[in-house]
Amino acid sequence: GENVEQHPSTLSVQEGDSAVIKCTYSDSASNYFPWYKQELGKRPQLIIDIRSNVGEKKDQRIAVTLNKTAKHFSLHITETQPEDSAVYFCAASPPRYSGGGADGLTFGKGTHLIIQP
Amino acid sequence: EPEVTQTPSHQVTQMGQEVILRCVPISNHLYFYWYRQILGQKVEFLVSFYNNEISEKSEIFDDQFSVERPDGSNFTLKIRSTKLEDSAMYFCASSTQDRDGSPLHFGNGTRLTVT
Repeated sequence: GENVEQHPSTLSVQEGDSAVIKCTYSDSASNYFPWYKQELGKRPQLIIDIRSNVGEKKDQRIAVTLNKTAKHFSLHITETQPEDSAVYFCAASPPRYSGGGADGLTFGKGTHLIIQP
Repeated sequence: EPEVTQTPSHQVTQMGQEVILRCVPISNHLYFYWYRQILGQKVEFLVSFYNNEISEKSEIFDDQFSVERPDGSNFTLKIRSTKLEDSAMYFCASSTQDRDGSPLHFGNGTRLTVT
């Protein structure tokens, strides 16, 4: 099955600086890579996702890059703000084939992002 | 915006008891999931459900677990004989039918405490 590694486990940056979180995956068939933000005691919330036919996607201060050859993808947050402090999870999923089947996401272990004022 | 809803928010039970965790997925979604998160750890896949049957399950989802869609709106997770190590946050999620991957929408979770 899929194995997702995520680094670092904790990342502390100064407010206004950029943060980068990296993930690798093992299953070359995986083609969907979402990132979730989880605040303490709350549910994971999707912040951005990318499919394998795209190398980069950006949404305001958040961007994700995907390198299919190396099987790694990264989350980039620019101009960090205190409200960005949370745990961030990457995930990977193989494709669903026609006829049904709902394959589960495999999550990384999470990165605790701390924004220092 | 439609949301996945879960009840109860917190469930305390004694070891060996049965618990049922309830979820109402988003109405036009076709895929349903249960995940769990032990405190301070990553989110772990338990089971996925499509077309009224289990599509995939993880090693965690052993014989003590079962899922059911008893009617057109509810999706339940039953743990038959709870163990201390079942204490965790259980998240229900749902997604649309998308061949190339679609976002999972998570509920707020049920915190299960087994004593």
